[in-house]
Amino acid sequence: NAGVMQNPRHLVRRRGQEARLRCSPMKGHSHVYWYRQLPEEGLKFMVYLQKENIIDESGMPKERFSAEFPKEGPSILRIQQVVRGDSAAYFCASSPKASNQPQHFGDGTRLSIL
Amino acid sequence: TQLLEQSPQFLSIQEGENLTVYCNSSSVFSSLQWYRQEPGEGPVLLVTVVTGGEVKKLKRLTFQFGDARKDSSLHITAAQPGDTGLYLCAGPRYVNNNAGNMLTFGGGTRLMVKP
Repeated sequence: NAGVMQNPRHLVRRRGQEARLRCSPMKGHSHVYWYRQLPEEGLKFMVYLQKENIIDESGMPKERFSAEFPKEGPSILRIQQVVRGDSAAYFCASSPKASNQPQHFGDGTRLSIL
Repeated sequence: TQLLEQSPQFLSIQEGENLTVYCNSSSVFSSLQWYRQEPGEGPVLLVTVVTGGEVKKLKRLTFQFGDARKDSSLHITAAQPGDTGLYLCAGPRYVNNNAGNMLTFGGGTRLMVKP
């Protein structure tokens, strides 16, 4: 999955700490999507962003979770006061400007909460 | 909210066997995509089907989109150990009855092909 870069690949946090997950989209892509995958399950949509705008956050929990995609730099998914249930793989995908274009996925960040 | 259900959830077969996995919904989708995901990696797009009744082939993989665009299948001929992975179907996630660019995924079929 060269192109969409996510870091860190693995992140360990204790309950109550903050987790920051970063995503650099493919070159030329201005649409970013975050998905969460629990073990043995499919991916669940969380949030869709364009540069400096949140387009749709209907899949994101109302509390503790936030996302941004600044004019410069990567997209950030931030989870405050993490709990055990936040343990999952978080995937970022990007697509070009036009809608209905295929999304390219990164290799994810695996978040483990102790 | 439109749902995609995949079956079977798990499939373990011997090398050389044929198999079919299914992706079903009660909703109509404008298109469906199939992805393969290997452990520790992100999903990789295999194919997009757009037209009802469409059949697409990718080497030993055959993808079909149902006539009513509510279901799809993936058939693998003469499976090989390299086919092992999680197969996911996905379709556009509708927002206010408009197909957005976000995806809704099925739960996946985990395939293991034994040598």
